[in-house]
Amino acid sequence: KQEVTQIPAALSVPEGENLVLNCSFTDSAIYNLQWFRQDPGKGLTSLLLIQSSQREQTSGRLNASLDKSSGRSTLYIAASQPGDSATYLCAVRGGSEKLVFGKGTKLTVNP
Amino acid sequence: EAGVTQSPTHLIKTRGQQATLRCSPISGHTSVYWYQQALGLGLQFLLWYDEGEERNRGNFPPRFSGRQFPNYSSELNVNALELEDSALYLCASGGWERQETQYFGPGTRLLVL
Repeated sequence: KQEVTQIPAALSVPEGENLVLNCSFTDSAIYNLQWFRQDPGKGLTSLLLIQSSQREQTSGRLNASLDKSSGRSTLYIAASQPGDSATYLCAVRGGSEKLVFGKGTKLTVNP
Repeated sequence: EAGVTQSPTHLIKTRGQQATLRCSPISGHTSVYWYQQALGLGLQFLLWYDEGEERNRGNFPPRFSGRQFPNYSSELNVNALELEDSALYLCASGGWERQETQYFGPGTRLLVL
């Protein structure tokens, strides 16, 4: 059974800091890994999708890496801004088609 | 192009009642996925429908059921509501390619009193 863990559960940083969010998964047989953002009480916004054959993806100030063999992914956020405050969710997609999510990292960026 | 839509946005029910939640996928998507996000439990996979058939279900009791219509929209029905069913229910749609992302709707917040 696939399990996804995200560390830390919460993170508070001053504006402008670079930060790293971590995600680990137990079964390396995945099709892809995805990072989402969720604002309070809202749905999910897809940030980055990394296919199992890829090592990293970049979008603006975001960079996500994937090490499938070790079951790890990191989301790097450069020059954080207060608007980045949200919960960040990591999810993996395996053979059963469903996404398995971690419990998320709640990020607060203080002005 | 319209994204995934869900209705209603909020729903208040009492214990024992039934709730019906609706989802319309992105045009061209044949798969609809339902997830439950209860406080403290994270996002849990509920059901997957594709081409009108239930393809997979998560670890939820049979009182969680649904269907997919010929236009690929979907309904999630929750019978005999319990207090712990209070949650945000998210619907996602996707194509048949496993490399694709799933696109999420804004969710329906269900409160059971």
